[in-house]
Amino acid sequence: NAGVTQTPKFRILKIGQSMTLQCTQDMNHNYMYWYRQDPGMGLKLIYYSVGAGITDKGEVPNGYNVSRSTTEDFPLRLELAAPSQTSVYFCASKDRDTEAFFGQGTRLTVV
Amino acid sequence: GQQVMQIPQYQHVQEGEDFTTYCNSSTTLSNIQWYKQRPGGHPVFLIQLVKSGEVKKQKRLTFQFGEAKKNSSLHITATQTTDVGTYFCAGHSGGSNYKLTFGKGTLLTVNP
Repeated sequence: NAGVTQTPKFRILKIGQSMTLQCTQDMNHNYMYWYRQDPGMGLKLIYYSVGAGITDKGEVPNGYNVSRSTTEDFPLRLELAAPSQTSVYFCASKDRDTEAFFGQGTRLTVV
Repeated sequence: GQQVMQIPQYQHVQEGEDFTTYCNSSTTLSNIQWYKQRPGGHPVFLIQLVKSGEVKKQKRLTFQFGEAKKNSSLHITATQTTDVGTYFCAGHSGGSNYKLTFGKGTLLTVNP
């Protein structure tokens, strides 16, 4: 059981570039989440999904897109990277009434 | 929308001192969870409280859920350097068992 796997671990992007942060889980969880964590700050919800084919916005969705074509995968897409998107991104999954399992995080810098 | 506030934002203690962090929600919670994030790491689940007034213990950690299910606390007795990290509370509300809202966390540092 790998749990929640995120790739890449680190990435430097130039302003205006695009990239996809990958997230996969092998626990057959229905619910998946993307959070961002700025230095010294808490976790802000970007997008979440309650099952394959269903996604919804969190509190900070602007500049991001997601898809959920399978139960296992929940990629996060940045279309036009901006310095304000410099952050650590965490993917998480859970099931009903259970705890959330987090990936190791992706540290993204936009320059 | 639901807001979860956590205080203090930072706490520095001498090893052996006690530590408490408090969590308050703007809405009634169906349950509350606590997580710990070590520096440079990812949040790791500690415990979930469900019942009004519930108290749970894990060794030196004591977790409480308020009677109104809108607040919670985490108390660490006799802190150790291994307790260093950020402690987050997170709650489900409004009948939702999937939308988990996190507090901003309390960063605990321990001076040996």
